[in-house]
Amino acid sequence: DMKVTQMPRYLIKRMGENVLLECGQDMSHETMYWYRQDPGLGLQLIYISYDVDSNSEGDIPKGYRVSRKKREHFSLILDSAKTNQTSVYFCASRQGNTEVFFGKGTRLTVV
Amino acid sequence: TQTVSQSDAHVTVFEGDSVELRCNYSYGGSIYLSWYIQHHGHGLQFLLKYYSGNPVVQGVNGFEAEFSKSDSSFHLRKASVHWSDSAVYFCALYMGYKLTFGTGTSLLVDP
Repeated sequence: DMKVTQMPRYLIKRMGENVLLECGQDMSHETMYWYRQDPGLGLQLIYISYDVDSNSEGDIPKGYRVSRKKREHFSLILDSAKTNQTSVYFCASRQGNTEVFFGKGTRLTVV
Repeated sequence: TQTVSQSDAHVTVFEGDSVELRCNYSYGGSIYLSWYIQHHGHGLQFLLKYYSGNPVVQGVNGFEAEFSKSDSSFHLRKASVHWSDSAVYFCALYMGYKLTFGTGTSLLVDP
């Protein structure tokens, strides 16, 4: 079963705390993505990973960093979370020119 | 510069009606376009794609889309909608590894 799994699904953090969002895929896809989704803005690309330890900034990387030590895992880290990072975060994966598979999202609230 | 534009934020139709959701793009490279659907509280799911060949492409659940180079468009259509088609629809443009989304069109199908 082809799947992208995100953990946790819901998270509440205080401003200034560190946040770790995890993503896994079981399709051995090389390319993985982190997006955030906000009302009226659609999906905005935070980071792209081309493979293990090969990552590139997307359109809105400020305040985020990523880690990809295994092909099947791609983590998004927020060091010292801010209230404007409250959002729904989506992880996705893709192999070559195939369709992109999305996880169900993590709803992060920073208070 | 907006690369992918979805001019209608909201569309409401009655069950059984036909619908067209509009997407325009601006990109000078190889064209690879997709439509995704997002039901409330879920991740995005692939509907269909155009890469080359026949400009009319068929997707799941009776959806189709037509690519037009002259109009820089990739509009999504369905001949007869069902209440379960109510969702947000995103047009997406692949620019190499990067996948850029429009802001989405919320389709509401009144029963």
